[in-house]
Amino acid sequence: AQSVTQLDSHVSVSEGTPVLLRCNYSSSYSPSLFWYVQHPNKGLQLLLKYTSAATLVKGINGFEAEFKKSETSFHLTKPSAHMSDAAEYFCVVSDGYQAGTALIFGKGTTLSVSS
Amino acid sequence: DAGVIQSPRHEVTEMGQEVTLRCKPISGHNSLFWYRQTMMRGLELLIYFNNNVPIDDSGMPEDRFSAKMPNASFSTLKIQPSEPRDSAVYFCASIRGSSYNEQFFGPGTRLTVL
Repeated sequence: AQSVTQLDSHVSVSEGTPVLLRCNYSSSYSPSLFWYVQHPNKGLQLLLKYTSAATLVKGINGFEAEFKKSETSFHLTKPSAHMSDAAEYFCVVSDGYQAGTALIFGKGTTLSVSS
Repeated sequence: DAGVIQSPRHEVTEMGQEVTLRCKPISGHNSLFWYRQTMMRGLELLIYFNNNVPIDDSGMPEDRFSAKMPNASFSTLKIQPSEPRDSAVYFCASIRGSSYNEQFFGPGTRLTVL
């Protein structure tokens, strides 16, 4: 069975410094992995996804994530944080390719950005 | 495209009342998901449908919860009777085809049960 673990419930950075949000997954098959972002009082929005193509995936707003099979990790990074990046981030795994397979969400990491 | 539409956006009700949450998925999407989000439990999958058929309802907390999808463009999540512990934000999401694709989320319904 698949699962996902976000290693930090809360990350605080200063504006302009790098961001690292950590995610480890467990999957029986070759997984699809996603990062979603949720701004306060908003729905979830897809940041990026990995589906067995390039292991380094680039997403919106300067975020990227690297799929490392040997480490079963899919950490999210950004070189320089912006105040608008403050939000909740969810790492998500799916190892089903059929239509209608559910996604498994991590518990979320709250990113705070200070000026 | 209008995106996933949920109504109402906010609902305040008293314990014991029936609550119905509504969702209109994106046209052409063939899978629909209902999630619940709370501070304590995070984001939980309640139930999902594929081509209007419920596939997995193991996340539905108890018999007070029920969900239907009578056609490809409409789904409801009903709670009867509602309890204060049902207070949460309920999200609906839809997807086209494979789960490799992006799930599109609605804005959510914030439910408060007094």
